[in-house]
Amino acid sequence: QQQVRQSPQSLTVWEGETAILNCSYEDSTFDYFPWYHQFPGESPALLIAIRPVSNKKEDGRFTIFFNKREKKFSLHIADSQPGDSATYFCAASDGGNTGKLIFGLGTTLQVQP
Amino acid sequence: NAGVIQTPRHKVTGKGQEATLWCEPISGHSAVFWYRQTIVQGLEFLTYFRNQAPIDDSGMPKERFSAQMPNQSHSTLKIQSTQPQDSAVYLCASSLVGGGAEQFFGPGTRLTVL
Repeated sequence: QQQVRQSPQSLTVWEGETAILNCSYEDSTFDYFPWYHQFPGESPALLIAIRPVSNKKEDGRFTIFFNKREKKFSLHIADSQPGDSATYFCAASDGGNTGKLIFGLGTTLQVQP
Repeated sequence: NAGVIQTPRHKVTGKGQEATLWCEPISGHSAVFWYRQTIVQGLEFLTYFRNQAPIDDSGMPKERFSAQMPNQSHSTLKIQSTQPQDSAVYLCASSLVGGGAEQFFGPGTRLTVL
């Protein structure tokens, strides 16, 4: 079964809007939640990450909101730009134990100018 | 800083042949991860080394896949008797420490099994 679920599969927003990408997880031992982005022909690269001690993490236009009780977290991309068009993957890890990342299936974001 | 290096970038094999993929982690990184990416399955964890020791191979198909890390500067993923369903992009990542640290991905090796 998919331990990390991601939605929507694809998302189109207009330039300047806020894009919201969602993820949920099942394993309560997960304690590290990164978001990676991947441009066509490239490998995934870390965008931003959060640990459950916080319920919000900001880095410029990118914000993670984290809800430990509901086992959900989301990525908000404010003032979306055409250059943000990419595939975004959420992931989860139990950090101190194995360190392996369990990825969601990805959201393909298209920002229309 | 060259980043994670993977060779070859592309490999085409015939069904039943062997494929060996190479990864050179970022210097000073103690953790090396292998993942596989396909359109259908997405990014799947295969195996993980820390300080060259195998830590977790729970994602490895048991019969034909093996991975080694003979020294701190390279790791190999070997697939014996390749099958068409092994076609994927194989990604190597490294991080300073194992858990909860940023994983830096290499460019990947695109394996095509005919």
